[in-house]
Amino acid sequence: AQTVTQSQPEMSVQEAETVTLSCTYDTSENNYYLFWYKQPPSRQMILVIRQEAYKQQNATENRFSVNFQKAAKSFSLKISDSQLGDTAMYFCAFMKPTGTASKLTFGTGTRLQVTL
Amino acid sequence: SAVISQKPSRDICQRGTSLTIQCQVDSQVTMMFWYRQQPGQSLTLIATANQGSEATYESGFVIDKFPISRPNLTFSTLTVSNMSPEDSSIYLCSVGTGFTGELFFGEGSRLTVL
Repeated sequence: AQTVTQSQPEMSVQEAETVTLSCTYDTSENNYYLFWYKQPPSRQMILVIRQEAYKQQNATENRFSVNFQKAAKSFSLKISDSQLGDTAMYFCAFMKPTGTASKLTFGTGTRLQVTL
Repeated sequence: SAVISQKPSRDICQRGTSLTIQCQVDSQVTMMFWYRQQPGQSLTLIATANQGSEATYESGFVIDKFPISRPNLTFSTLTVSNMSPEDSSIYLCSVGTGFTGELFFGEGSRLTVL
């Protein structure tokens, strides 16, 4: 079974600064997907970024980028130029692909507070 | 992408009663998932609901407690039966469109059991 660990329950960053959220995972699979989801107070889970394990290049989406270290089973999220709207719970998640959509295994989450 | 509507958005229920949560998707999807998020916790998968077959439950979740229906490719229901305060959670419906691996989520149903 896969496990996902987020060791930072809470983090705080000032507006316009950069913050990195950590995630490690454990799996025996060689091919898989990794995700970062954001859950603001509205509860809606929103996909921030995804990474396919067979791709060596780190995924980037505007201010969000990841540092994917497959050998170390590490998948951190970097948020640049933090904005107040980035305040949310962030969940790291793992998916074993099965040819169609498959279930996600989530980490325990990191609560990020962006301050003025 | 997929737009998911869940009903009810929130409810307060009495111990021992049952509540059915509805999940409506704006497009046909093969895989639907039901997650539970207990207060301040992460998301835990309850079951996977495929159209035309019995739902597949994760360890710790049973059909008698969480019966699921999946009558077509755009709709599913989750019933929380014989509720106790420990069932107070957010229940989220999620769907996958297959090609990107991404799952889309509804806004969740916040259930409080007194």
